[in-house]
Formats: sequence, C-alpha cells, structure tokens
Amino acid sequence: EDKVVQSPLSLVVHEGDTVTLNCSYEVTNFRSLLWYKQEKKAPTFLFMLTSSGIEKKSGRLSSILDKKELFSILNITATQTGDSAIYLCAVKSSNTGKLIFGQGTTLQVKP
Amino acid sequence: DAGVTQSPTHLIKTRGQQVTLRCSPKSGHDTVSWYQQALGQGPQFIFQYYEEEERQRGNFPDRFSGHQFPNYSSELNVNALLLGDSALYLCASSLGLAGGEQYFGPGTRLTVT
Repeated sequence: EDKVVQSPLSLVVHEGDTVTLNCSYEVTNFRSLLWYKQEKKAPTFLFMLTSSGIEKKSGRLSSILDKKELFSILNITATQTGDSAIYLCAVKSSNTGKLIFGQGTTLQVKP
Repeated sequence: DAGVTQSPTHLIKTRGQQVTLRCSPKSGHDTVSWYQQALGQGPQFIFQYYEEEERQRGNFPDRFSGHQFPNYSSELNVNALLLGDSALYLCASSLGLAGGEQYFGPGTRLTVT
C-alpha cells in the first residue's frame, strides 16, 4: 500500500531557529513530491520535486529530494512567527492525479 | 487570476441527510480532485474528475459521488451522512490528468450532528 510518513508530527521553535521537516515515502511508480503549507484551511503550494539532488529554493524555504533513499526534506531558515502552520508532504504516482498525503508536521514558532 | 473557490464555507447537517459541496477550479485548469481532511490528519483522496468523468477514486463508499460540468466546475455529493463524515472537504484543480501542481481551494467545513 502506498504510504507517506512525515516527521516530526509537531515541532516548537523560537524565532530565528532553523528547522528541518522530513518526509519519507513508499509509492508505486513515483512521479513527483509536493510540499504544501496549511495555515487555516487551503493548503498553499510550496514546491514540486521530481529529480533527485536538485534543491528548490524560495526565500527562506528550500527542499530537496532523494529518490534512492525515498525521502525529502523541507528546510526553513531564520524562522518567523508567520511560518507557524501545518506542513504537508504529498506524493503523486505516475499517470494519475491522486496525491497521497502524509499526516503533516505542525510547526509552532514562538516569538 | 481567480484561484480555486468553494462553497459553502461551513455547513451543519444531521445524520442521514444529504449534502452537496461545490468547487470552481482555477482559471485555465480542467481537472478537479476532491479530498477529505479529518482533524489532525492529512487530506485523503476521494475522487478526480476530468472531461466530465470520474477518472480515479479513492477508498470511499458509494455514498460519495460527484459531477463535473462543461465549465470544469464540480460538485461533491454525500448521501446518508454519518458522524464520521465531519471533516474539511478540499477541492484541488490542475491542468490535465497527470498535471503538475494541484492548487487547493479554502475548503468546506462539514459538521454532522
């Protein structure tokens, strides 16, 4: 059965800290891995990764995929209180639109 | 550029009733997927619509059904509501069946009492 596991499930840090969120997967016919940030309702798209070893970066956020070891990490540097949210990892298998989500990591950034 | 919209935002129903949720995809997108997100969990795939047909279905009973219209908007219907159907229902749109990013709407919070 296809599975996506995120760790840790929750994390509390202080402003300015750097955090690393983990996502491992077991999915048949992997096509891509996506990261989303969910604050109140709608998950907002962060990154889509398809190739190993190529880092995607947007401001203080970056992500990388390892297709050999079947995992991805999401890094957030110099965290701010506005980074507090649930971070969702999802994997898409080939030729389908179905996203398989992990349980999410709840990040709380304290001032 | 209009994003994904959903209606209503909140809904309270009684066990046994039926509910219809609506979704309009992002401009330029033609594929709509529906997800159920229970509290504290990641979203679970319900089904996907493309060219007005259900193309793929997750592990949900037949009480969950849907429809896609020629303008690409979509409806999710749930019959014979159970308490366990209480959740956030998210709609996501994309371009093509195996398209790249899926963009999510704000969701409909359904409470079944």
